[in-house]
This record gives sequence, C-alpha cells and structure tokens, in this order.
Amino acid sequence: GENVEQHPSTLSVQEGDSAVIKCTYSDSASNYFPWYKQELGKGPQLIIDIRSNVGEKKDQRIAVTLNKTAKHFSLHITETQPEDSAVYFCAASLMDTGRRALTFGSGTRLQVQP
Amino acid sequence: NAGVTQTPKFRVLKTGQSMTLLCAQDMNHEYMYWYRQDPGMGLRLIHYSVGEGTTAKGEVPDGYNVSRLKKQNFLLGLESAAPSQTSVYFCASTIQRTGAYNSPLHFGNGTRLTVT
Repeated sequence: GENVEQHPSTLSVQEGDSAVIKCTYSDSASNYFPWYKQELGKGPQLIIDIRSNVGEKKDQRIAVTLNKTAKHFSLHITETQPEDSAVYFCAASLMDTGRRALTFGSGTRLQVQP
Repeated sequence: NAGVTQTPKFRVLKTGQSMTLLCAQDMNHEYMYWYRQDPGMGLRLIHYSVGEGTTAKGEVPDGYNVSRLKKQNFLLGLESAAPSQTSVYFCASTIQRTGAYNSPLHFGNGTRLTVT
C-alpha cells in the first residue's frame, strides 16, 4: 500500500517568514495530494490540494508543488501569521479506485512566533 | 449545517469494556471513514464504507467493528477495549463523484478515548 513520509515533525518560524513542509510518497499510481490543517481540539480541514497532472497550485499565501518523478510534494506558506500555527498533514490517494481513502503523513506542528 | 458530528467527545474505558462511537453526517455523503490519530503517526484508516449497508477494512482494523445501517450514520465498535486502543478517533465523509478530485474529506472534531 501507499506510504507517506512527512518532514519536519516540528517547525518554528518568525511571523512574516516562510514555512516549507515536505512529503514523499511510495505508490507511483497515487494521483491526488491534499494538505490538511488541524487546529487544537478540531478535526483536520482541507486547505489546498493538487492533482498529479499539475506541478504547482497557489491559493493566496499557500502553495503546493508536486514532483511526480521524484515522488515528493511540498507545502509553502509565505508571510506566516500567528493564526497559521497548527498541525499540518499531507496525504496521498489514488482517486480512481472505489476506496478513495487518504494515506496521511505523520504531521508537522508549525509554530509561528509573533 | 452541522457537517460531521461525533459522539461522545471524551470517554474513559477499563480494559475489556465495550463501547460504540457514533458518527453522523447531514451532507448526504456516500463515503464514510474512521481514522485513529496517535502522536507521531498521523491518521490511520480503521474501516470505511462506500455506501449504506457496506463496510470494508482499512489499515488497522483489528479490534474494531463497524456498521452503516443508515446512509447518514457510521458506527465504530470496540468489543473488548485494550490500552493500545487509547487514541483520538476521527470520522470523515465525502461525496462520491466518478472521476472527481475535488471532493474533500469532511472531518468531525474527534472522540478522545482512554483505555485504562
């Protein structure tokens, strides 16, 4: 099955700096790569996703890049703000199968220092 | 719009006791999932359902059972709880659209279970 590795496990940045979280996946058939943000006491919430036929996607201060050849994808957050502090999870899935279940990375705790 | 609701929010069990976690969604979603979240391990899939009356095993199904008698509800049962089942449990749902990629998982806020 799919295996997703995520680094770093913790990341501390100063407000206004950029943050980068990296993930690698094992199954070359995976074709959907979402990122989730989890705030304390809440369930994960989708913040951005990318399909395998796209190399980069942006949404305001966040962007995701995908390198299919190397089987890795990254989340980039620019101009970080204290409200970006949370746990971030990457995930991978093969969306053409009936299961459509996501395999998650182990998570990155991002702390933005004011 | 409530989305995905999980009950209870917290529970403490003794080893060997049984319990059922309830997940309810009001979005008419076809697919439902149970994940467990443990420190440093992300979210791991326990069981899932692709429609009313169907269930299937995920990555870590041992010690759990599920039922999907109604489309809007997905129940997770622990028949004989063990300390290794101490975790935070999340239910999620999504709509099924053939070939659609933009149907995100909607998560509940979790059930924190402690088995002593």
